[in-house]
Amino acid sequence: AQKVTQAQTEISVVEKEDVTLDCVYETRDTTYYLFWYKQPPSGELVFLIRRNSFDEQNEISGRYSWNFQKSTSSFNFTITASQVVDSAVYFCALSDHSNYQLIWGAGTKLIIKP
Amino acid sequence: NAGVTQTPKFQVLKTGQSMTLQCAQDMNHEYMSWYRQDPGMGLRLIHYSVGAGITDQGEVPNGYNVSRSTTEDFPLRLLSAAPSQTSVYFCASSSPPGSLETQYFGPGTRLLVL
Repeated sequence: AQKVTQAQTEISVVEKEDVTLDCVYETRDTTYYLFWYKQPPSGELVFLIRRNSFDEQNEISGRYSWNFQKSTSSFNFTITASQVVDSAVYFCALSDHSNYQLIWGAGTKLIIKP
Repeated sequence: NAGVTQTPKFQVLKTGQSMTLQCAQDMNHEYMSWYRQDPGMGLRLIHYSVGAGITDQGEVPNGYNVSRSTTEDFPLRLLSAAPSQTSVYFCASSSPPGSLETQYFGPGTRLLVL
């Protein structure tokens, strides 16, 4: 069965600290995609990144970076020099084998204190 | 482009009432889907459509109906509302069809069933 686990329910850090959000997934598919979405307090879902299973290169976008490791089935997300505006719930998701459904983790609530 | 729009933003129903949640997109996306988000859980797929006239069930379809008469619109009908359907509902679209592509989400509809 496919599954996404975000073990950290809530993380609280002080502004400017670095923080890593963990995502572990399970799948038997050899081709799949992983996603991160952000849900700020306003409630909308904002796409952050999509990564396919054949590309294990780490990606950096400004203060955001992602570490994809197939050996450990993990796709972790790091925010460097966190800011209060980063406060949100972050979801990791996996495309399922039928390719018509995303399997979502339960989300990690990130609180950045000023 | 407005992207994905949903109406209403908030709705209160009594048990047994029926209603339709509206979803529209102006990006000419073939794939549209409905998710529900419950506290402490990731999003769960209710129904999806890969094109006009084609719909299929997701993970939690019971109590909901959908139809897709046009590419733009994908309404979700609650036949007889129950308190267990209290949730936040998100509509999403993507092109080409499937979860391998980035899905774009509407702002959500918050539903309370009393």
